[in-house]
Amino acid sequence: AQSVTQLGSHVSVSEGALVLLRCNYSSSVPPYLFWYVQYPNQGLQLLLKYTSAATLVKGINGFEAEFKKSETSFHLTKPSAHMSDAAEYFCAVSGSGNTGKLIFGQGTTLQVKP
Amino acid sequence: GAVVSQHPSWVICKSGTSVKIECRSLDFQATTMFWYRQFPKQSLMLMATSNEGSKATYEQGVEKDKFLINHASLTLSTLTVTSAHPEDSSFYICSAVSDFPRGYGYTFGSGTRLTVV
Repeated sequence: AQSVTQLGSHVSVSEGALVLLRCNYSSSVPPYLFWYVQYPNQGLQLLLKYTSAATLVKGINGFEAEFKKSETSFHLTKPSAHMSDAAEYFCAVSGSGNTGKLIFGQGTTLQVKP
Repeated sequence: GAVVSQHPSWVICKSGTSVKIECRSLDFQATTMFWYRQFPKQSLMLMATSNEGSKATYEQGVEKDKFLINHASLTLSTLTVTSAHPEDSSFYICSAVSDFPRGYGYTFGSGTRLTVV
């Protein structure tokens, strides 16, 4: 079984500051990990994904995440926050078994202050 | 890139009526589609998994007779909320997979805001 825990339901940063959104996972099989962003009343947009290749994954809009097996973590970072980054962020996990289910964390609201 | 079209974007219906939500993969064949429900300020909860040509697999606690899922073709899956009640009001999102079962290639629809009055 897989699960995801996002630490911090709300993160506030100043524009230009480092963004760090935390995600820890639990998986009985090698995981596939994802970060998605959601703007109000919209679907989900994929930021990046880890599928057992490079542990440092670069995504869109300057985001990246590092897979750390020893820490069961997949934290999302961005060196410099932009006002347009304010949104809801979800970490998700899928087992490499044959169910294909994508299990989401609770979500983190990112607020960017001018 | 892969696109999933979800319609309608929003719908208001009267209590006791049924509502159908469509999810179409526009430029790929979706062997599997997932349906999620999202309450305000909350995460996405998986409702069911549908595979083309077979019955949907529902998550524990999801009423099969209330949330009817049909996946008749590789490009279309529908969710019908039957005899809707105000507590069914929510944001429903579909997701299609084009590279199943390797766990990548999920494409999400834009969601449907259902309000039952």
